[in-house]
Parts: sequence; structure tokens; C-alpha cells
Amino acid sequence: DGGITQSPKYLFRKEGQNVTLSCEQNLNHDAMYWYRQDPGQGLRLIYYSQIVNDFQKGDIAEGYSVSREKKESFPLTVTSAQKNPTAFYLCASSMRGGWDNQPQHFGDGTRLSIL
Amino acid sequence: ILNVEQSPQSLHVQEGDSTNFTCSFPSSNFYALHWYRWETAKSPEALFVMTLNGDEKKKGRISATLNTKEGYSYLYIKGSQPEDSATYLCASLGSSNTGKLIFGQGTTLQVKP
Repeated sequence: DGGITQSPKYLFRKEGQNVTLSCEQNLNHDAMYWYRQDPGQGLRLIYYSQIVNDFQKGDIAEGYSVSREKKESFPLTVTSAQKNPTAFYLCASSMRGGWDNQPQHFGDGTRLSIL
Repeated sequence: ILNVEQSPQSLHVQEGDSTNFTCSFPSSNFYALHWYRWETAKSPEALFVMTLNGDEKKKGRISATLNTKEGYSYLYIKGSQPEDSATYLCASLGSSNTGKLIFGQGTTLQVKP
């Protein structure tokens, strides 16, 4: 069954700690994305990657870092520089980065909270 | 319009009612408009990707229209059922950026049996 797997489902971060959210896809999609959702707001783009070994900042990249060493994987690290990390994080992928008029496919999300 | 805006923010209807909601998006440099359905405790699921002015798409009881000249799309649900209860997201893809979707805040629909 093809899809996107995010882990963990729930994550707690201590002050000053970096945490990494996992996102894996077996859809053979080129592009991958990380979004953040806060109450009452739409999904906001943190980082995206159109191809392996390349990624771009989204609208709210400060305090986050990513890597794209493999096509299947796009982990997101929430660093201690992110002062308000409590949110719901969604990972998505798409075949060719949107230009082929194909939709994005989403994982189930990770809810991050501060201890 | 610089952002993607959806209205209303939430909607409560009775089972069997038909309903519709609006997505407004920047009409300049338009490339595509996406609609997604997001049920509680599930991941967002794609409904439609629309590109042409005047386009109309249908999936069961759900349909959508697109006006790229004035920058709006309507989503219609005919004969709402409790299983239609979800948040409906629209997102605009502009031709000037590099594949970034700009999402609206969503319309949350609650269908009462």
C-alpha cells in the first residue's frame, strides 16, 4: 500500500532540545513538503524539496532544518531556535512538484508539544 | 487579494441539505487551484485540481467550479450526509513561485443527522 508515513504521532520537546520528525514516502514522488498548522490558521509551508539533495525555505523556515538525502525521506528538525514549536506538523509529497496538476498526498501528522 | 481566503469559516447543516462554500485566491499569475477534504483523525485527501477558467469538476455529490478571471472557486455538496463532516481546504498554486501551494484557513462543515 503506497503512502506517506509520519512518526511519531505525538512528540514532546524539552526547552533547548532539538527534535526530529520523520517523513517517509513510497509513492516514488519527486517533491516533498513540510507544513505547520496552528489553531485557526491554514497550513503554512516550512520547507519543501523538489528533488533529492535540494530543498528550499518556505514561508516560516526560521528555527527549522531539513535534509533530503534519499528520495523517500524528508526529516524535519525543530531546533531550539524555534521559540513556539507547539503545533501540528504535516508532511506531503507530490509527483512532480505541482506542475503536472497532480494533488499533494499527506501523512497523518505529528503533534509536537513543549514539556 | 494577496492570500487565499475561505468562507464561511464553519458551517452547520442538517442531513439532506445542500451547501456551498467559497475560496478566493489571487487571480494574477494563476496556475492551479486544489481542493482537499480533511476528516478528523485522518490525513487530508485530494478532491479536485482545477486549472481552466470555467472548469467544473464532480465527484459523487461534491462538485466545484472555477473562475480564474475574478479569482474564486465554489465547492458544492448536494444532499449533505454526516460522513461529509470535515474541514474543506482550498489551495492556490501560482505560476510565479516554485510549486508552493498557498492554503486557505479551511471551511469546517458539520452535518447533523
